Amino acid sequence: AQKVTQAQTEISVVEKEDVTLDCVYETRDTTYYLFWYKQPPSGELVFLIRRNSFDEQNEISGRYSWNFQKSTSSFNFTITASQVVDSAVYFCALSPGGYQKVTFGTGTKLQVIP
Amino acid sequence: DAGVIQSPRHEVTEMGQEVTLRCKPISGHDYLFWYRQTMMRGLELLIYFNNNVPIDDSGMPEDRFSAKMPNASFSTLKIQPSEPRDSAVYFCASSSDRSEAFFGQGTRLTVV
Repeated sequence: AQKVTQAQTEISVVEKEDVTLDCVYETRDTTYYLFWYKQPPSGELVFLIRRNSFDEQNEISGRYSWNFQKSTSSFNFTITASQVVDSAVYFCALSPGGYQKVTFGTGTKLQVIP
Repeated sequence: DAGVIQSPRHEVTEMGQEVTLRCKPISGHDYLFWYRQTMMRGLELLIYFNNNVPIDDSGMPEDRFSAKMPNASFSTLKIQPSEPRDSAVYFCASSSDRSEAFFGQGTRLTVV
C-alpha cells in the first residue's frame, strides 16, 4: 500500500515571501517515483517535477526547489519569492516502480496575496 | 502535439441518463489513465490501460462505470445510469513508459 500525506490544507502568504509545501509519503517499494503537480484555478493539472527513489539530490528550477529526504520519507517543495501567479493547488504524488498507478496527496491550496 | 484532449469539457445530465466521456491521448503514449476528482475524495485513479489493455480497474467505483480503449488514440469512460454522486471532474492522462503523466483539461460532470 502507498500513501501520500499533505498535512497543509491551505496556506496564505504575502507576495515575495518564501513558502514550503510539505509532502510525506509511505511505500514498501524500494524503487518508486515522486512527483509534484500544480492545479491553477483554471483546473488543469500541470506537471512540475519527478524524482526517483535513488536520486536524493535536491533540485532547483528558477524560484522552485525540491528537497527529497528518504530518511524522513519527505519530498518538500519550496517557492522562493512567491508571486500571485503561484496561487494554485499543489499535489504531491507517488508511484511504485514505474510511472503507473500514481497515488496523489490531498493537495495544498496556496494563496499568494498581493 | 496538442496534448491530451478530453471531450466534452462540461456535461450536465439528469439522473439515470447514460454519460460518455472521451479522451484522445498524446500520440505515442502507451499508458492511459482515468482519474476522478472530488472535494471529498481528491484525485482517485479509476482505471488505467497499457497498450489498449485494461491493467487495473480496482478504482472503478461500481458496475455502472465502464471504460474502453478500442485503439491507441481513443478511450471512453461510460457511466450508466448516472447518479448525482457521480458529479465530479474526470481527468484523462497519458504517459509513455518511464515518463510522467500528462493530463487533459478534464470534464466537469454534473448529474442533477
